[in-house]
Amino acid sequence: QKEVEQNSGPLSVPEGAIASLNCTYSDRGSQSFFWYRQYSGKSPELIMFIYSNGDKEDGRFTAQLNKASQYVSLLIRDSQPSDSATYLCAVEPTGGGNKLTFGTGTQLKVEL
Amino acid sequence: DAGVIQSPRHEVTEMGQEVTLRCKPISGHDYLFWYRQTMMRGLELLIYFNNNVPIDDSGMPEDRFSAKMPNASFSTLKIQPSEPRDSAVYFCASSPYHQGVYGYTFGSGTRLTVV
Repeated sequence: QKEVEQNSGPLSVPEGAIASLNCTYSDRGSQSFFWYRQYSGKSPELIMFIYSNGDKEDGRFTAQLNKASQYVSLLIRDSQPSDSATYLCAVEPTGGGNKLTFGTGTQLKVEL
Repeated sequence: DAGVIQSPRHEVTEMGQEVTLRCKPISGHDYLFWYRQTMMRGLELLIYFNNNVPIDDSGMPEDRFSAKMPNASFSTLKIQPSEPRDSAVYFCASSPYHQGVYGYTFGSGTRLTVV
C-alpha cells in the first residue's frame, strides 16, 4: 500500500463546475496535510494546508480533512480552464521532521 | 527574493558520467530537500538537510548518489556513475522551520536525461 494515494485521473469537469480531488493516507498519526498544484513542466506550488478535522476555505478552494477515515480532499468551486493542472496531496508523517510524502497526483482538466 | 535557484535546467549525459546538480535555497530557510519526480513514482524524497546537516538520506537510491550542503546558501546532488534509470526531474525545495503556513518553495527543477 502506498503511503499517500491519489487517483491519477484525468478528472474532467466543465468550466464553472465543482472539481473534487481525493487523497488517502496510511499513516494514522499524520498531522499536517497539504495540496500542491503543478502545471505541466513547472514546479509544484502550495495551494492549501490543513491540520484539523473539518473544512478550511480559501477563495474558490476548500480543503477537507477526516482523520478517522484517513482522507483529505480538495474542492475547487467555479472551475476555470486555468485550474487545469496536476494536484498533489502531501502528508507530513508522524514525527515528520518537516518532511513531506507526496502522492502521485491527480490530473485535472477543466473543459470549456 | 529570487526563490530557490537550481542549475542546470537541463542536463543530458552519457551513461557512466558524473552529474552534479546545484541548488541555492531561499535565504533564511532552515530546511533543504532534494526530490526526484518520475511519471511512475511521482515525487520521491531523496535527502533533506536542517541547518546544513543531513537529517534523513534514506531515500537516496544507492551509493551512486551523494549530497552535500557546505553552507546555508548552497547544496549539491551528485550522481556517479549515472545510469539511464536516473533520468528524471530533480527538484530542490526549501522551507522555514514551521513550513505549514509557507509550505515548501520548489526550484524550477533539473531535467536529467542519461543516454
